Amino acid sequence: TQLLEQSPQFLSIQEGENLTVYCNSSSVFSSLQWYRQEPGEGPVLLVTVVTGGEVKKLKRLTFQFGDARKDSSLHITAAQPGDTGLYLCAGADNDMRFGAGTRLTVKP
Amino acid sequence: DVKVTQSSRYLVKRTGEKVFLECVQDMDHENMFWYRQDPGLGLRLIYFSYDVKMKEKGDIPEGYSVSREKKERFSLILESASTNQTSMYLCASSSPGPFFYEQYFGPGTRLTVT
Repeated sequence: TQLLEQSPQFLSIQEGENLTVYCNSSSVFSSLQWYRQEPGEGPVLLVTVVTGGEVKKLKRLTFQFGDARKDSSLHITAAQPGDTGLYLCAGADNDMRFGAGTRLTVKP
Repeated sequence: DVKVTQSSRYLVKRTGEKVFLECVQDMDHENMFWYRQDPGLGLRLIYFSYDVKMKEKGDIPEGYSVSREKKERFSLILESASTNQTSMYLCASSSPGPFFYEQYFGPGTRLTVT
């Protein structure tokens, strides 16, 4: 069973700060997805990473897949209140597993 | 714009009732999924379907059944609701092949069983 651990569980920061959240596993994944879920809504896919060491940027969000394809990080630069939400990672191989998420609050 | 809709945003049912949760997608996706989301546990897969009338058990199928009679519609059935099925239920869909894991989610149904 693939287990995905996300850290930190909760993060509260001020607008303009930078932050990094992590997604770790002992399993190797063929791909890894990041989703953002806003309160009262379903998760929305942000990015898929498939190659070890891959870095993808989405405006102020930078996603990195670990070289061994066991872990990933999400870095947000100059966070804004609109970034508030639950960030979920999901690792896929023969099946798919979701982490429990990092709940981010960005205060204005 | 892609869209997955769920029949209800909030539901309150009594223990022992039969509960139907419906999901419709307009993207012509082959794959559809039902998850439940509980705090600290992430999303757990209940069932998925890769074609009409086809279904596969996920990690926690006990107490649930599903129906897929049309490609765009996937229903989750709680045969006899219990309080431990109080949860957020999320439906998702995806294309086949390499896009299987890129899932589009509905807004969720928050079910309370009393």
